[in-house]
Amino acid sequence: QVQLVQSGTELKKPGASVRISCKASGYAFNYFFIHWVRQAPGQGLEWLGIINSNVSDTTYAEKFQGRVTMTRDMSTNTIYMELSSLTSEDTAVYYCARETADLSSRHFDYWGQGTLVTVSS
Amino acid sequence: DIVMTQSPLSLPVTPGEPASISCRSSQSLLHSNGYNYLDWYVQKPGQSPQLLIYLASSRASGVPDRFSGSGSGTDFTLKITRVEADDVGVYYCMQTLRTPRTFGQGTKVEIK
Repeated sequence: QVQLVQSGTELKKPGASVRISCKASGYAFNYFFIHWVRQAPGQGLEWLGIINSNVSDTTYAEKFQGRVTMTRDMSTNTIYMELSSLTSEDTAVYYCARETADLSSRHFDYWGQGTLVTVSS
Repeated sequence: DIVMTQSPLSLPVTPGEPASISCRSSQSLLHSNGYNYLDWYVQKPGQSPQLLIYLASSRASGVPDRFSGSGSGTDFTLKITRVEADDVGVYYCMQTLRTPRTFGQGTKVEIK
């Protein structure tokens, strides 16, 4: 079965960087796009960007340009999201989500369990 | 960016009664291929979001037929014919027509 398993909780100081992993299993890794979405405490969902697992093309939300980097390791079927220059406003649960292979749609059919990142001095 | 606006933001419901959530987009989500690129997700307490409806009206696998999506262009609706206790959570619409993907603010459905 398809699974996206994310790395564990992170506690970071302001100014630091965080790297979250999303390990995929149960499907052909290189045929799918992976998105990253975050949710601040008590808030809604915010899209950070997308990576093509095959060719490593990325598109980032303008808000995070220059601070976010998404990469993939095809040898371990793992996607990484690194966010730098952290502030308290980056405190959130970060999710990876797979975009469907259905060429007519672009919905997210599987989600990771989420990774809590807390930024605090 | 396409702005997504949901209403209401809070929806107390009585089990067995219907419920409806509206989602409006600042630009048409109708693609030239005839599909509306609008999805509905639900986030149940303590869980990751999960897909309910895609392309405005297609029910995801395993989603009960109590849930239905409708609409086109800029106005969309999620309907639950008979709310059950397990339906509590926050419901989000999301447009997938353009990057960046954008979400509505979320509608919290709770049992009266």
